[in-house]
Amino acid sequence: QVQLVQSGGAVVQPGRSLTLSCEASGFSLRSYAMHWVRQAPGKGLEWVGVISFDGLNIHYADPMKGRFTISRDNSKNTVYLQMNTLRLEDTAVYYCVRARGVGDQWGQGTLVVVSS
Amino acid sequence: DIVLTQSPGTLSLSPGERATLSCRASPSVSSSYIAWYQQKPGQAPRLLIYGASTRATGIPERFSGSGSGTDFTLTISRLEPEDFAVYYCQQSDSSLWTFGQGTKVEIK
Repeated sequence: QVQLVQSGGAVVQPGRSLTLSCEASGFSLRSYAMHWVRQAPGKGLEWVGVISFDGLNIHYADPMKGRFTISRDNSKNTVYLQMNTLRLEDTAVYYCVRARGVGDQWGQGTLVVVSS
Repeated sequence: DIVLTQSPGTLSLSPGERATLSCRASPSVSSSYIAWYQQKPGQAPRLLIYGASTRATGIPERFSGSGSGTDFTLTISRLEPEDFAVYYCQQSDSSLWTFGQGTKVEIK
């Protein structure tokens, strides 16, 4: 069964860091670019960033540049999103997404709440 | 940056009716890079259409996409009860994604 299983969501204080994980099962992650997309409560989808299949090319949306880092370990079939200096406005459900151009497989989402 | 603007924000229709959702791109984008997703409450989005008009695997024929350049459309020919949801268009030019703000299709 093809799926992306996410973990790592939590309630954290502003300014702290958090790392999300996304593990693939039923397929090999090494053939795919992987994106992260987030959705604030009651809001639309916001693209976070992308990492190429080999990890050599990484791009971020402007609000995330300098604070978020996407990485991958193809030997563990896992992609990561490290988030530093978290802000209240980073509160959202975060999705990892498998992509061949478009996102054909989404993780279940993991909730990050930034609150003091 | 490519901006996608969806209209209307909310569409109130009855089961069996036809739904027409619009997505306008600025600047223009190749139809190869336009996709549509459906999202139901508490669920991850699901890919419906890619390449502006190609249905993803398992998507019913009542869903169709069209358009080019700056204007793209998602049509649901006859709404089924399970089609009431939020729909997002997306562009994927240069592997950098942008989403529209979404159109909610609600039961009238």
